[in-house]
Amino acid sequence: SQQGEEDPQALSIQEGENATMNCSYKTSINNLQWYRQNSGRGLVHLILIRSNEREKHSGRLRVTLDTSKKSSSLLITASRAADTASYFCATDPFSGGSNYKLTFGKGTLLTVNP
Amino acid sequence: GAVVSQHPSRVICKSGTSVKIECRSLDFQATTMFWYRQFPKQSLMLMATSNEGSKATYEQGVEKDKFLINHASLTLSTLTVTSAHPEDSSFYICSPRSPGMQYFGPGTRLTVT
Repeated sequence: SQQGEEDPQALSIQEGENATMNCSYKTSINNLQWYRQNSGRGLVHLILIRSNEREKHSGRLRVTLDTSKKSSSLLITASRAADTASYFCATDPFSGGSNYKLTFGKGTLLTVNP
Repeated sequence: GAVVSQHPSRVICKSGTSVKIECRSLDFQATTMFWYRQFPKQSLMLMATSNEGSKATYEQGVEKDKFLINHASLTLSTLTVTSAHPEDSSFYICSPRSPGMQYFGPGTRLTVT
């Protein structure tokens, strides 16, 4: 079953605006990761945040993690048309190391209009 | 970053035939291989997990006799879709894992006519 649920399912913004996507999950995790996927292409790993971290930055990306609420957010600042893609969160569940499965949320389709 | 290749990138086959998809980790050894399937406009769904030299573990609802997985070495895994049907048309993505990190192949677009 899907571990993560992203919202919104689709987001359309103008170039230069910020885009925020949220992800909720159900079980305890070791870490949470965000990926980007351009239409019909493979996944690109964006950022990993560990369960003991609350915020992480990478360039124009800012990820937060609230383990008490089992949620994460991805903020893309100063968006560009090239940021148009689907964004997925994926969780690495805490399982004692014997049953590792990286499971994906449903994704947010981001459209950045020039 | 780690390099993962999948071959073929696209394949069109007739209903009833079998298709083999290869996944190679080019610069690291994959102790575990995951195979995902992605239907249009949907997320990645885990199909099966395999460890080198062991039988694959399939997720609920995935037929092990239809989707044959071979993880013969630490750098090569294959997924064979047997007796393919149009509903098997999808984007198949392999994901090799080495301790501490999981990587993703570029995907194979399968179209069954």
